[in-house]
Amino acid sequence: AQSVTQPDIHITVSEGASLELRCNYSYGATPYLFWYVQSPGQGLQLLLKYFSGDTLVQGIKGFEAEFKRSQSSFNLRKPSVHWSDAAEYFCAVGGYQKVTFGIGTKLQVIP
Amino acid sequence: GAVVSQHPSRVICKSGTSVKIECRSLDFQATTMFWYRQFPKQSLMLMATSNEGSKATYEQGVEKDKFLINHASLTLSTLTVTSAHPEDSSFYICSARERFLMNTEAFFGQGTRLTVV
Repeated sequence: AQSVTQPDIHITVSEGASLELRCNYSYGATPYLFWYVQSPGQGLQLLLKYFSGDTLVQGIKGFEAEFKRSQSSFNLRKPSVHWSDAAEYFCAVGGYQKVTFGIGTKLQVIP
Repeated sequence: GAVVSQHPSRVICKSGTSVKIECRSLDFQATTMFWYRQFPKQSLMLMATSNEGSKATYEQGVEKDKFLINHASLTLSTLTVTSAHPEDSSFYICSARERFLMNTEAFFGQGTRLTVV
């Protein structure tokens, strides 16, 4: 069975500081991996995805993530956080059909 | 990227009534659409997978008779919450996968906030 673990439910970061959101997954084959962002009351926006190839993936809004097969991880990073990055972030894993989401990490950005 | 439109964005209904939520792929054909439910402060839980022209596949624990899914065309899937009760209040999100592209993600709608009073 596929699963996703996001160990940090809530993270607070100062504006301008760096950010890393952790994600560990369990999947039987080579996974498709995703990071989504959700603002309050809104749908999901895809930040980035990994299907194959380069394990360091660049996404929108200055985000990047690195796929580490040996650690079953796909951590999301941003070198300098902006106040507008405050939102909920979901890591997801799946194949062509079913996608399983983590519980989400709520990011708070303080001035 | 591809656009998925979900309607309505918010709906309030009385207990015992039925509510229909539409999910449309606007600029692509989607043979497969997915319906998720999100409880407050929780993740998205897959409810069912909808394939055009065939019956939906429901996840374990999801009541088929309560959450009716119809995928009559390559661009439209509907979720009907029948005889809604306050515990059905939730955020429902659909996603759609493009028909001819294998290595691509599913695109999400903006979600529907259902409140049953």
